[in-house]
Amino acid sequence: DTGVSQDPRHKITKRGQNVTFRCDPISEHNRLYWYRQTLGQGPEFLTYFQNEAQLEKSRLLSDRFSAERPKGSFSTLEIQRTEQGDSAMYLCASSPASGTDTQYFGPGTRLTVL
Amino acid sequence: AQKITQTQPGMFVQEKEAVTLDCTYDTSDQSYGLFWYKQPSSGEMIFLIYQGSYDEQNATEGRYSLNFQKARKSANLVISASQLGDSAMYFCAMPEYSGAGSYQLTFGKGTKLSVIP
Repeated sequence: DTGVSQDPRHKITKRGQNVTFRCDPISEHNRLYWYRQTLGQGPEFLTYFQNEAQLEKSRLLSDRFSAERPKGSFSTLEIQRTEQGDSAMYLCASSPASGTDTQYFGPGTRLTVL
Repeated sequence: AQKITQTQPGMFVQEKEAVTLDCTYDTSDQSYGLFWYKQPSSGEMIFLIYQGSYDEQNATEGRYSLNFQKARKSANLVISASQLGDSAMYFCAMPEYSGAGSYQLTFGKGTKLSVIP
């Protein structure tokens, strides 16, 4: 039973560079979520997909943030022109859209912007 | 919008003892639920337990149980027989349902639990 996986686990980049993170959800889950967690805080919601459709993206922090899920399986989150304030843990979760629809999280990608 | 408050930044518990982590919430929804997640230092958020507002009995999952008091708007997590591996951050979270048919989780700031041998 494979859980949610994320790649890379750690990313160090220089300010102004673009970064892309990947999330592979649990295989039978058709809902996928991205969250951001800064130091000392709980995760905050960014965006949500049902299959390949991005149904909620108003919480993306700025137009530098974008996400895709082209075939309804894995998803990518891209941050363009990174800023030091983007340094955080980026968490991906998936859920089955049935039962309590519990969200299961991956290990996260820790981004450091120098 | 939902609001989650966790007032204990840090807690200590002796190994094998029970501990209660507090969570209060605010919502205008008539039907809602509460989740608890554990986050070890590795970073992954691990689902522990869920309870819906209309569940008649408090939820239990192994050593975890929810002390759900709707009148007080509290959903405290009780961990029995604490183990060293329970040392972690614990987050209470409430779903905020969107018109798109799913929900996003609103999290509290968390409580750092340290289990003392």
